[in-house]
Amino acid sequence: QKEVEQNSGPLSVPEGAIASLNCTYSDRVSQSFFWYRQYSGKSPELIMSIYSNGDKEDGRFTAQLNKASQYVSLLIRDSQPSDSATYLCAVPNRDDKIIFGKGTRLHILP
Amino acid sequence: GAVVSQHPSWVICKSGTSVKIECRSLDFQATTMFWYRQFPKQSLMLMATSNEGSKATYEQGVEKDKFLINHASLTLSTLTVTSAHPEDSSFYICSAFSGRSYNEQFFGPGTRLTVL
Repeated sequence: QKEVEQNSGPLSVPEGAIASLNCTYSDRVSQSFFWYRQYSGKSPELIMSIYSNGDKEDGRFTAQLNKASQYVSLLIRDSQPSDSATYLCAVPNRDDKIIFGKGTRLHILP
Repeated sequence: GAVVSQHPSWVICKSGTSVKIECRSLDFQATTMFWYRQFPKQSLMLMATSNEGSKATYEQGVEKDKFLINHASLTLSTLTVTSAHPEDSSFYICSAFSGRSYNEQFFGPGTRLTVL
């Protein structure tokens, strides 16, 4: 099993709808989880960090963490065309290196 | 968030020359920085971990003599691509731990290297 897994997409969502991005991880002792957004030709940008089970909201973004299921998700409400990007799930390993998923390409349909 | 800068943002060089890329943490001190490479439409690939005051740790398959890393201060790490060849053309990105939260890494804007 890969350490961090994401559906590569593309995930197409109509403008104004909720985009739901999912990620699973293999290391049960992981304590911190990150979502990065990467536009084409640009470097990744940290958009959400989550450390505790449950939901964390920041503007239109909500991160959800379920450590028992080893699952972390990102919801984007009121999706905008500018949200079209690749979203990377990231989890630090025991050596403090960040392990990235391969990313999910999100396309918001105007 | 913490700010990481890179210079240059893009560079074109002739095959056989060496290119140096700088990565700076602007508003925090970074004892550890990371260097990644990303080819078009592919995932980020960690090349090496740069530790201030000590030798870098390279990932398997990355030639340490070709990709020289120097982390001489708490705010600066450099990556030198020696004797560059066209297959080294890629997007090179550095990142650093801010130290403010649990292992949050902030990325520089990246350097696009084209070797002719």
